[in-house]
Amino acid sequence: DAMVIQNPRYQVTQFGKPVTLSCSQTLNHNVMYWYQQKSSQAPKLLFHYYDKDFNNEADTPDNFQSRRPNTSFCFLDIRSPGLGDAAMYLCATSTEGLGRGHEQYFGPGTRLTVT
Amino acid sequence: GENVEQHPSTLSVQEGDSAVIKCTYSDSASNYFPWYKQELGKRPQLIIDIRSNVGEKKDQRIAVTLNKTAKHFSLHITETQPEDSAVYFCAASMYSGGGADGLTFGKGTHLIIQP
Repeated sequence: DAMVIQNPRYQVTQFGKPVTLSCSQTLNHNVMYWYQQKSSQAPKLLFHYYDKDFNNEADTPDNFQSRRPNTSFCFLDIRSPGLGDAAMYLCATSTEGLGRGHEQYFGPGTRLTVT
Repeated sequence: GENVEQHPSTLSVQEGDSAVIKCTYSDSASNYFPWYKQELGKRPQLIIDIRSNVGEKKDQRIAVTLNKTAKHFSLHITETQPEDSAVYFCAASMYSGGGADGLTFGKGTHLIIQP
């Protein structure tokens, strides 16, 4: 079941201290996504990569950045975490675009706490 | 961008009865509509999905219907069981051609199965 792996599962950071969340996949999928899910809310898409092409959602704060050094790994960088950034961060992958007949696989998530 | 509305926010049904959750979407170009089940502290899990060239799809006790003209789709769960208790999210995605789009989620329905 370890097809989409997220590390760490729980992360505590201090207000304003940069933090990086990691996602890796063994599926060789072209597309990797990052979602933010706050308590009792729906997941919200932050950005996604189609291969090396980066697609940022219009309302994703500049505080959030992402890197995809190769097919298997994708990182979420939060430059200056605020209390409002405390959430579950979900990584997901798909072979190709979802509208082209491919489903999305979620990782287990990283729960970020900001103190 | 896409906007997905989901109702009701909470649904309580007696064990063995049916449950229906409804969603509407705003972008007529959307062509993929998955449903996810999320238990507390866990990742969303895909339970069923439907594409815009199909009106209905069934998998054992779960079915989804899609009305493209009205831009709404529904999840039907029959013979509900205690293990069906969870939060259910509908979502919509549109393939934009150049790459891949992520999912826009509804706000979720907390389904409670009463014994």
